[in-house]
Amino acid sequence: GQSLEQPSEVTAVEGAIVQINCTYQTSGFYGLSWYQQHDGGAPTFLSYNALDGLEETGRFSSFLSRSDSYGYLLLQELQMKDSASYFCAVSSSSGNTGKLIFGQGTTLQVKP
Amino acid sequence: DAGVTQSPTHLIKTRGQQVTLRCSPKSGHDTVSWYQQALGQGPQFIFQYYEEEERQRGNFPDRFSGHQFPNYSSELNVNALLLGDSALYLCASSFMTGGAGNEQFFGPGTRLTVL
Repeated sequence: GQSLEQPSEVTAVEGAIVQINCTYQTSGFYGLSWYQQHDGGAPTFLSYNALDGLEETGRFSSFLSRSDSYGYLLLQELQMKDSASYFCAVSSSSGNTGKLIFGQGTTLQVKP
Repeated sequence: DAGVTQSPTHLIKTRGQQVTLRCSPKSGHDTVSWYQQALGQGPQFIFQYYEEEERQRGNFPDRFSGHQFPNYSSELNVNALLLGDSALYLCASSFMTGGAGNEQFFGPGTRLTVL
């Protein structure tokens, strides 16, 4: 089967740093993506890792270890607007058009 | 530049009916994927269209079918609706080749309620 595991909920305070972990078990793997979804909104792309290591984009960073089937999303200097659901997603075929297999999502609540 | 658009925004149907959802991809994109997102869950891949053909399919029954038009827009059809089909249906567009990273652009979705 194919599965992605991530925590269901995380709570942090404004200005803090939070890490959302994702472990995966899939039949094909080309990369790990992270998407943000606000209530009632469309998922929006945050980052993508195809190779081991850390990718940094502003306040957000994403890490991948292919040998451990593990990745994480790191959010720094948390802001209230970061309260949303965060999904890790595995690309099961190459390129940017492949089928995405999503985790169940992590609800992040940022408190003042 | 318009992003991905979907219509309608909301839809209420009864069991056994049929529904058609529509999606216009982001300008320049040639590939459309459809996802079903139940409340509190992650999106689940239904299928993907490129060059007017279904290229990949997820674990969904034949009641779910689709189409892509020459202008790259797409339709999702669901026949013989079940209560369990109630969900947010998301359309995502991308390039088949090229583009940056693995980004798929999602539309705002169609909220389908089956009574």
